[in-house]
Amino acid sequence: DAGVIQSPRHEVTEMGQEVTLRCKPISGHNSLFWYRQTMMRGLELLIYFNNNVPIDDSGMPEDRFSAKMPNASFSTLKIQPSEPRDSAVYFCASTTTGYQGQPQHFGDGTRLSIL
Amino acid sequence: GENVEQHPSTLSVQEGDSAVIKCTYSDSASNYFPWYKQELGKGPQLIIDIRSNVGEKKDQRIAVTLNKTAKHFSLHITETQPEDSAVYFCAASGRYSTLTFGKGTMLLVSP
Repeated sequence: DAGVIQSPRHEVTEMGQEVTLRCKPISGHNSLFWYRQTMMRGLELLIYFNNNVPIDDSGMPEDRFSAKMPNASFSTLKIQPSEPRDSAVYFCASTTTGYQGQPQHFGDGTRLSIL
Repeated sequence: GENVEQHPSTLSVQEGDSAVIKCTYSDSASNYFPWYKQELGKGPQLIIDIRSNVGEKKDQRIAVTLNKTAKHFSLHITETQPEDSAVYFCAASGRYSTLTFGKGTMLLVSP
C-alpha cells in the first residue's frame, strides 16, 4: 500500500519567494496534519484537517503560512513570502478519526532551505 | 493543552543492553500513547502504541508500559542492536486524533 506521499523532498529557494509543499494522504484516511520539525522546537503541529475542513490552524506561525485541502487526496502548505527562519523539515501525516486516538502515518517530509 | 515531557534527550548503550525512555503527560483525558522511531532523512514511523485501558504491551524486543494514575509511560527496548539507533518520540492523543509529541530521545547503540 502506498504511504503518505510528499513533494518535493528538498526545496532550496531565496527569501521572498513563494513555496508550495504538497501532500497526498493514505487513501481512506479522513484526517490530515501538517507538522514542522526543527532542532530547537521539535515536532510542531501547524494545522489539521478533518474531512477536508480545517479544524485548528492555531499552530500556523504567521499569516505568511496557509494550507488548503481541496479534496480527500491532496493538500498544500504554502509560504508566501518565505523567510530564512522558515527553514525546517515539513511533514504531512494522515489517519482515520475515531472516538479514541488513532496512529498517524507520516510521509518522509520536505526539507526546506530558505537562503 | 496537552504537554508531553520526554527523558532522556540522549541515550548511549552497548549492543545487547536494554534501553528505557520515559514520558509524562499532563491531560488526564488523553487515551492513546504511540511511540515513533525516526531515522535520518525519514519521517517518524510508528513502532508500538498503547491505549489507556491497558497497562502494558509487548512486541518482540519492544514493550511499552502505562501508569495512568501517575500520567507516565515508558518504552523498553531489550537486546538492543545497532539498527535500533535512531530518534524516538513519545506522543499523547488529543481531540480529532491530534498528537502532542515529546522532544525526542536520540538512542545510540554501540557494537
